[in-house]
Amino acid sequence: DIQMTQSPSSLSASVGDRVIITCQASQDITNYLNWYQQKPGKAPKLLIYDTSNLKTGVPSRFSGSGSGTDFTFTISSLQPEDIATYYCQQYDNLPYTFGQGTKLEIK
Amino acid sequence: EVQLVQSGAEVKKPGESLRISCKGSGYTFPNYLISWVRQMPGKGLEWMGRIDPGDSYTDYSPSFQGHVTISVDKSISTAYLHWSSLKASDTAIYYCASRQYTGDWYWGQGTLVTVSS
Repeated sequence: DIQMTQSPSSLSASVGDRVIITCQASQDITNYLNWYQQKPGKAPKLLIYDTSNLKTGVPSRFSGSGSGTDFTFTISSLQPEDIATYYCQQYDNLPYTFGQGTKLEIK
Repeated sequence: EVQLVQSGAEVKKPGESLRISCKGSGYTFPNYLISWVRQMPGKGLEWMGRIDPGDSYTDYSPSFQGHVTISVDKSISTAYLHWSSLKASDTAIYYCASRQYTGDWYWGQGTLVTVSS
């Protein structure tokens, strides 16, 4: 199985801060990587697919980049409504696997 | 509009069987794979397996192979996740998800399964 190492596991930042979350795959996954946002009691919401494609309707302060084994998710200016847990997911090889999640809090 | 609508919450006893469902609409159902994902209480996301609604071919994560069965009835655009004998450790929220031709992924709202004596 491909291991997805996501960091940090938790993060506290202030409104307006730039937030960066990374995900490292244990082997090359090309660009088959998603980023999700999950709020308590809700289903995961896709924000970024195929590494860098912003899902329609998602604010442009969210972005993704990377290739191969190293990927980055960025919130350019943190907003209060961005408080959630974020997950990466690879879908290059079966079984698909997720990072362990990053819990984002407001300072 | 692409939608995946899942069946409602279930409360079962250990040893009982259960089948939950995921109905797709707004797209050509047989053309796109459906995955199932587990989220145990307070934990992260785990991919369980997937099915091709066109030919019912399945792939399972080794962690779930033999513990659950994924099936489909394409005539009613519905995928299923089935347990023959539930355990308390099956208590979780289960999501279905499908990647569409755009590359976008759509998720169901989740089904909470509670297994308790």
